[in-house]
Amino acid sequence: EDKVVQSPLSLVVHEGDTVTLNCSYEVTNFRSLLWYKQEKKAPTFLFMLTSSGIEKKSGRLSSILDKKELFSILNITATQTGDSAVYLCAVEVPNFLTSGTYKYIFGTGTRLKVLA
Amino acid sequence: EPEVTQTPSHQVTQMGQEVILRCVPISNHLYFYWYRQILGQKVEFLVSFYNNEISEKSEIFDDQFSVERPDGSNFTLKIRSTKLEDSAMYFCASKIQGVWEQFFGPGTRLTVL
Repeated sequence: EDKVVQSPLSLVVHEGDTVTLNCSYEVTNFRSLLWYKQEKKAPTFLFMLTSSGIEKKSGRLSSILDKKELFSILNITATQTGDSAVYLCAVEVPNFLTSGTYKYIFGTGTRLKVLA
Repeated sequence: EPEVTQTPSHQVTQMGQEVILRCVPISNHLYFYWYRQILGQKVEFLVSFYNNEISEKSEIFDDQFSVERPDGSNFTLKIRSTKLEDSAMYFCASKIQGVWEQFFGPGTRLTVL
C-alpha cells in the first residue's frame, strides 16, 4: 500500500526560528512530490519536486527531494506568525484504472505554530 | 484569477439522506478530483475524473458514492445514503494537462447527524 509519512506531527517555535519538516514515502511508482500549506480551509500549492538534489526556493521556504532515500524536506527560515499552518506533503502516483492519469497520496501533515 | 468554487460551504443532513456536493472547476482544466478530510485527520483521495469518466477511485469510494459532470462545468459528488462517518470536509480540485499543480476549492463541510 502506498504510504506518505510526515514528521513531526506538530511543532511550536518562536518567530525567527528555522524549521525543517520531513516527508518520507513508500510508493510503487513515484511521479512527483508536492508540498502544500493549509491554513483555514483549502490547501495551497508551495512546491513540486521530481528530481533528486535540486532545491526549489520561494522566499524563506525551500524544499529538496532525495529519491534514493525516499524523502523530502521543507525548510522555513526566519519564521513568522503567518507561517502558522498545517504543511501537507503529497506524492503523485499513477492510477491503475486509467493509464496516463494520476492521483495524490497525502501525508498526515505537520501542524506548525509560530509564536510571536 | 480563476478559482475552483464549491457549494454549499456547509451541509447538515440526517443519516440515510442523499447529498450532492457541487464543484465548479477552473474552466480549461481537464482533470478533476474529490478528496475528503475528517476533522483532525489527513486529506484522503476519493476519486479522479478525466475525459468524462472515473480514472481512479479509492477504497473509500464505494457504491454509495458517485460523481458526475452533468453539463461541462459542474462536477458533483453524490453520497446516496449518508452515514455518520461521512462527516468531513470535502475538497474538489482540478488541474490542467501537463501541469502538476492542482487547484483546490474552499471545501464543503458535511455534517451527518
